[in-house]
Amino acid sequence: DVKVTQSSRYLVKRTGEKVFLECVQDMDHENMFWYRQDPGLGLRLIYFSYDVKMKEKGDIPEGYSVSREKKERFSLILESASTNQTSMYLCASGGTRTQFFGPGTRLTVL
Amino acid sequence: AQTVTQSQPEMSVQEAETVTLSCTYDTSESDYYLFWYKQPPSRQMILVIRQEAYKQQNATENRFSVNFQKAAKSFSLKISDSQLGDAAMYFCAYRSHTGTASKLTFGTGTRLQVTL
Repeated sequence: DVKVTQSSRYLVKRTGEKVFLECVQDMDHENMFWYRQDPGLGLRLIYFSYDVKMKEKGDIPEGYSVSREKKERFSLILESASTNQTSMYLCASGGTRTQFFGPGTRLTVL
Repeated sequence: AQTVTQSQPEMSVQEAETVTLSCTYDTSESDYYLFWYKQPPSRQMILVIRQEAYKQQNATENRFSVNFQKAAKSFSLKISDSQLGDAAMYFCAYRSHTGTASKLTFGTGTRLQVTL
């Protein structure tokens, strides 16, 4: 069975903290993605990676960075969390035909 | 850049009835993929159905089918014999055939309620 896991379902952090969201896939996919989901806005692409150590900005990369040191793991980093980064974060990995999603991390920044 | 529009924020259907969710998109490309994803309260995004733009035949998966109108750039989802488990957010998504990494562009979603 296809599996994409995210390190936390719920996370509460303080403004200014450095936050790491981890995503692991077991399908040997080259492509991995981080999305942010907000009510009324759908899913918006933050960053994606098409190979180890390769990354590209998505539509809303400001305030975020990513790391992909191993094929199966793709991390999203909030260097200095702010309240406007309170959101649902979804990781996905994909081949040529579709993307498989993790269960999401609901991040609250106080 | 491609855009995807879902003009129905919420829809409601009675159990066993049929409902159609609308999606339109804007692109200058001729070859691409379209998807419908379902997100139940558990938040797990699940692929419902996929359509390749070069295929004229509308995709079907059990009770789910699409009406793909390429010239009109329309991609609606029909759910037949609706069940309580169909209650969820439904997202329409577009993927270019070219370019790196198979990026998806999503619409804003339609929340489907299923009533008894």
